[in-house]
Amino acid sequence: GENVEQHPSTLSVQEGDSAVIKCTYSDSASNYFPWYKQELGKRPQLIIDIRSNVGEKKDQRIAVTLNKTAKHFSLHITETQPEDSAVYFCAASRATGNQFYFGTGTSLTVIP
Amino acid sequence: DVKVTQSSRYLVKRTGEKVFLECVQDMDHENMFWYRQDPGLGLRLIYFSYDVKMKEKGDIPEGYSVSREKKERFSLILESASTNQTSMYLCASSFQGAPGEQYFGPGTRLTVT
Repeated sequence: GENVEQHPSTLSVQEGDSAVIKCTYSDSASNYFPWYKQELGKRPQLIIDIRSNVGEKKDQRIAVTLNKTAKHFSLHITETQPEDSAVYFCAASRATGNQFYFGTGTSLTVIP
Repeated sequence: DVKVTQSSRYLVKRTGEKVFLECVQDMDHENMFWYRQDPGLGLRLIYFSYDVKMKEKGDIPEGYSVSREKKERFSLILESASTNQTSMYLCASSFQGAPGEQYFGPGTRLTVT
């Protein structure tokens, strides 16, 4: 089955700096890669996703890049703000079936 | 606006008790999922369902069962709760077809003593 690895497990940045979280996956059949943000005590919520026919996607301060050959994808947050502090999860999913394989999460702290 | 609700936010049960966790979604989603979330382990899939009365094992089904009698409702059952099942349980739902967003419920923090 699919194996998703996520690094780093914790990340601290100064407000205004950029943050990068990286994930690798093992199954070349995976073609959908969502990123979820979970604030303390709240449910995970989708913040951005990318499909395998696209190499990069951007939404304001958030961007995701995908390298299918190397089987890795990354979340980039620019101009970080304290409200970006949360746990971020990456996931991978195949075209057939809708099962997500999640990474182990990255706890991001933005220091004011 | 998609809404996924879970029957309890916090639950305390004793070892050996039978525990029911319920999840309801109001968006006519075909797919429903149960995950458990533990620090450092991320979200691990217990069971999922693509249709009424249909279920598939996820990565960690041991000690759990599920029931889906109606499209909008997916129940997770702990037949005989054990202390190692103390965890946060999250339900999610999504449309069938090409993979897309899973919408999560608020979670149930289960403590087994």
